[in-house]
Amino acid sequence: GNSVTQMEGPVTLSEEAFLTINCTYTATGYPSLFWYVQYPGEGLQLLLKATKADDKGSNKGFEATYRKETTSFHLEKGSVQVSDSAVYFCALSRNSGNTPLVFGKGTRLSVIA
Amino acid sequence: EPEVTQTPSHQVTQMGQEVILRCVPISNHLYFYWYRQILGQKVEFLVSFYNNEISEKSEIFDDQFSVERPDGSNFTLKIRSTKLEDSAMYFCASSEQGTNYGYTFGSGTRLTVV
Repeated sequence: GNSVTQMEGPVTLSEEAFLTINCTYTATGYPSLFWYVQYPGEGLQLLLKATKADDKGSNKGFEATYRKETTSFHLEKGSVQVSDSAVYFCALSRNSGNTPLVFGKGTRLSVIA
Repeated sequence: EPEVTQTPSHQVTQMGQEVILRCVPISNHLYFYWYRQILGQKVEFLVSFYNNEISEKSEIFDDQFSVERPDGSNFTLKIRSTKLEDSAMYFCASSEQGTNYGYTFGSGTRLTVV
């Protein structure tokens, strides 16, 4: 079946450090891929997405590229800020109609000043 | 920015009792969902709802669960007879055009069954 594996947290970085959160997936066909973020006390928010191979999703300085050959969708940011502290979830959906999201376990990021 | 609102934020209930978790989706959204996250585990899909009926449900969503959109604004999840293993954070979400366009999630209801 479809599944998502992301790196275990927590990840602790200093402000302005480079961030990578690894995400790999297993899926039949060609899923759509997402990163959602959950700030403390809030619901999950869509951060970025990619719907086909080699697409790059980007938002708020974060980027992730859909790599079919390595079945990966790693999240990167060149310079993190304290305000980026949150839990990040990688997810996929079957790319047909309104199909449910399959989530990874989430990676907690703490950025310290 | 429009929000999905969930109430209550935390509910404690005794095993065997019925609970209703409430959600107010964004007003122009057409697709509605419930997900849950047991502590330390993955966020799991429960059910999706469109055009006043269930579009898809997971194995978790058995006969003890039901959803309703009673008045065109609220979207509720009912658990008829709660079990200890139903303890989790329950997230409601809505979407204007479906999964691939992204969801807006509520901040969740933490359900504790004792």
